[in-house]
Parts: sequence; C-alpha cells; structure tokens
Amino acid sequence: DAGVTQSPTHLIKTRGQQVTLRCSPKSGHDTVSWYQQALGQGPQFIFQYYEEEERQRGNFPDRFSGHQFPNYSSELNVNALLLGDSALYLCASSLMRGGNYEQYFGPGTRLTVT
Amino acid sequence: AQKVTQAQTEISVVEKEDVTLDCVYETRDTTYYLFWYKQPPSGELVFLIRRNSFDEQNEISGRYSWNFQKSTSSFNFTITASQVVDSAVYFCALSEEETSYDKVIFGPGTSLSVIP
Repeated sequence: DAGVTQSPTHLIKTRGQQVTLRCSPKSGHDTVSWYQQALGQGPQFIFQYYEEEERQRGNFPDRFSGHQFPNYSSELNVNALLLGDSALYLCASSLMRGGNYEQYFGPGTRLTVT
Repeated sequence: AQKVTQAQTEISVVEKEDVTLDCVYETRDTTYYLFWYKQPPSGELVFLIRRNSFDEQNEISGRYSWNFQKSTSSFNFTITASQVVDSAVYFCALSEEETSYDKVIFGPGTSLSVIP
C-alpha cells in the first residue's frame, strides 16, 4: 500500500514565476492538507481540502491556492513566487473513520526560489 | 501565543545516554491530539506517536517512551540508550477538534545530536 506521494522532489524557480506541486494521498484517505516548512522551522499549515473544497486555511496569502480532484489527489499552486517561498512543502493525507483519526505525511517537495 | 513550546532548541548527548525532549502545549479544547514526529536530515517527517487527550497513559515503544501529563500540559519524549541514528530534529505537535484535526500545529523542534 503506497503512502503519500509528492512530485516533484525538488524544484528551482525564479522570483515572479508560478509553481504547481502535486500530492497523491494514501489509499483510502479523503482529506489532504498542505504545509510549508522553512529552513530551521516547524511546518506551518497552509490549507486543507476535503470533498474538493478548501475547508481550513492557515495564515497564507491568496498567492497560495489549491485544488483537490475527484480521486482525492491535490495540487498546491503558488503564484508570483517570492524568495521567501523557498521551503519544503509537505502534503499530508488523513481519514477519520469510526472515531479513529489517522494522518500521514509525504516526503515533501523542496522548492528553491532564486 | 505559541501553542506548542519546545524549550530545548538543541541537545547533544553521548551515545547510550538517555535523553528527554520537553513539550508544553496550550489549548482550550477538551478534545485534541498530541504528536511527536522525527525529521532526519533527509527531510521526511516520520510519525512516532499520536496521543488522544482522553488517554493519559504513558506509552513505551522499544527505546522510546512518552509521558503525557494534562495537569502540566506536557507531553515529554524520552529516548533510552540513545544511538547515533536517533540524531534528527524532533517535533511535538497539537491538533484540536474545534479547528480540525488536520490543522496540526507544530512546535519549533528540538535538534538532537547523538555523538558516538
């Protein structure tokens, strides 16, 4: 059973460009959350998608947007990239079932903005 | 106000020593989860434990043990007989039922170095 997968592994972009990161959840999971982890810091919650809609959002500007597809996979889009967007972007998938909650993180996409 | 505090930024221990990583959390929710994650240099977050707020039993898993005390809002993590492979950044985290279990709030992390 594959866990959470993310692509690409690494990415280098130029300031002002746009980027799309992808995430496939663990089999059976229906919720995807995205986190940004700057160097030397803990991950910060960006947003959560469930039933193809954004349900929760952290303190991130509108330049950060996302999408969830019918197969539960998700994309994170960042427009007008800034140097400060350089970070490890983590995707997590989760499922609440029978009162039990489980969440798993993917390996991340390391984005470098130059 | 920081909801998850890890006061120890960096810890160095000699191999085979025991080490305890401290975590203090803050929440007004009565139902929440606490987590510990390990992040080795490769970057992937490795899930170690999830504890429900209604379960205060301490847990032991091999060389790892966790001490959950609601009275002091602490969820400390002890590694017994540390090994070089334990070198990593360890994050304590909290998610609350009120805001969504998926919105995990991470502490700043404690960088553990185990010296051979």
